[in-house]
Amino acid sequence: GAVVSQHPSWVICKSGTSVKIECRSLDFQATTMFWYRQFPKQSLMLMATSNEGSKATYEQGVEKDKFLINHASLTLSTLTVTSAHPEDSSFYICSARDPLAGGPGNEQFFGPGTRLTVL
Amino acid sequence: GDSVTQMEGPVTLSEEAFLTINCTYTATGYPSLFWYVQYPGEGLQLLLKATKADDKGSNKGFEATYRKETTSFHLEKGSVQVSDSAVYFCALSTNFGNEKLTFGTGTRLTIIP
Repeated sequence: GAVVSQHPSWVICKSGTSVKIECRSLDFQATTMFWYRQFPKQSLMLMATSNEGSKATYEQGVEKDKFLINHASLTLSTLTVTSAHPEDSSFYICSARDPLAGGPGNEQFFGPGTRLTVL
Repeated sequence: GDSVTQMEGPVTLSEEAFLTINCTYTATGYPSLFWYVQYPGEGLQLLLKATKADDKGSNKGFEATYRKETTSFHLEKGSVQVSDSAVYFCALSTNFGNEKLTFGTGTRLTIIP
């Protein structure tokens, strides 16, 4: 099946620094990628939808200047957490949509997630 | 807005036991319903889906039936195995083509030999 990777798998940073998380579709071209955030014992919350070559669409309540998304190619989207603070500590998950896979739902393939800890 | 409620975990069962993980939803229109599974260290994988009322999704011995009258999509398996240990997420989508997914909180399942 289609594989989506994320890098790094975990990162620890100091408050005030910026952190970049990469999401790659390894064996297909992803026209759309999604970024989620997951808090402990809570569901995945969609942060933004990233379309290749255009600006990301952010969900209500998500600060676009805080969470910068760049979908520069059909296989790579990046999420940069700018000026990170302890409240940004979370599990960030991306998914990539394969336009050639048919039907609702099974078009999205998920990465393994990135654990961010801000000290 | 759309929402998904699933039973809280963790759930611990013995091998070959019967499994039910409850899931109910609230949505406008006619959502598609999904169960995703996340094995340790891996990304979420689609386990099964149903796109209209009374549809039954099935895969790897798991089943779930889209019940519009009770707005439910409970996951069942007749005989679980140790390899089924994972986190299970119920989800819905009401944006066909947009593919935005609304997830439940996830249920951690542990099967003991």
